[in-house]
Amino acid sequence: DAKTTQPPSMDCAEGRAANLPCNHSTISGNEYVYWYRQIHSQGPQYIIHGLKNNETNEMASLIITEDRKSSTLILPHATLRDTAVYYCIVRANDYKLSFGAGTTVTVRA
Amino acid sequence: SQTIHQWPATLVQPVGSPLSLECTVEGTSNPNLYWYRQAAGRGLQLLFYSVGIGQISSEVPQNLSASRPQDRQFILSSKKLLLSDSGFYLCAWSSSFGEQFFGPGTRLTVL
Repeated sequence: DAKTTQPPSMDCAEGRAANLPCNHSTISGNEYVYWYRQIHSQGPQYIIHGLKNNETNEMASLIITEDRKSSTLILPHATLRDTAVYYCIVRANDYKLSFGAGTTVTVRA
Repeated sequence: SQTIHQWPATLVQPVGSPLSLECTVEGTSNPNLYWYRQAAGRGLQLLFYSVGIGQISSEVPQNLSASRPQDRQFILSSKKLLLSDSGFYLCAWSSSFGEQFFGPGTRLTVL
């Protein structure tokens, strides 16, 4: 599996957009970029995934660079409930999700 | 809609005792099922996955085993718990090899 690099932590002001970066410079052509988050003491929650094109859903937007070596997860209007550890994962179309350390996002009022 | 259940939510067990954690999924058929463990302050580690009844693949050698007696039921077991088995155990399901959806987890403390 390709490995990802994320900043260990970041703060965000409530109501502002949160931009979470992820580097995956060794990603293969058949590997997707997945984002999950884990709120304290809960199971991880799927957010979004993409292959090449930018994706948007009701939770977030995913921007993938043209060379696919990095991506950014955007939470458009962060709320206190978005405080969590955010995991960027690259995977092929198989069973394996490899969770790294993620980015601890703290949304402040 | 699909839901995933795990029980118990918390469990405290003595070293050497047996373990049985259960996971069930509703609202889908023939899901892929997964067991993960998260040690305190660590990332998630995949323990087992299953693509069908009676089909179990183990990711890491350990003191645990898994079984899938029914299509939407996944059980994690141990005959004798070790202190190192403490952690947060998460069950997940996916449709084929798509995104995985996680249950609420079981927090196990072995004393």
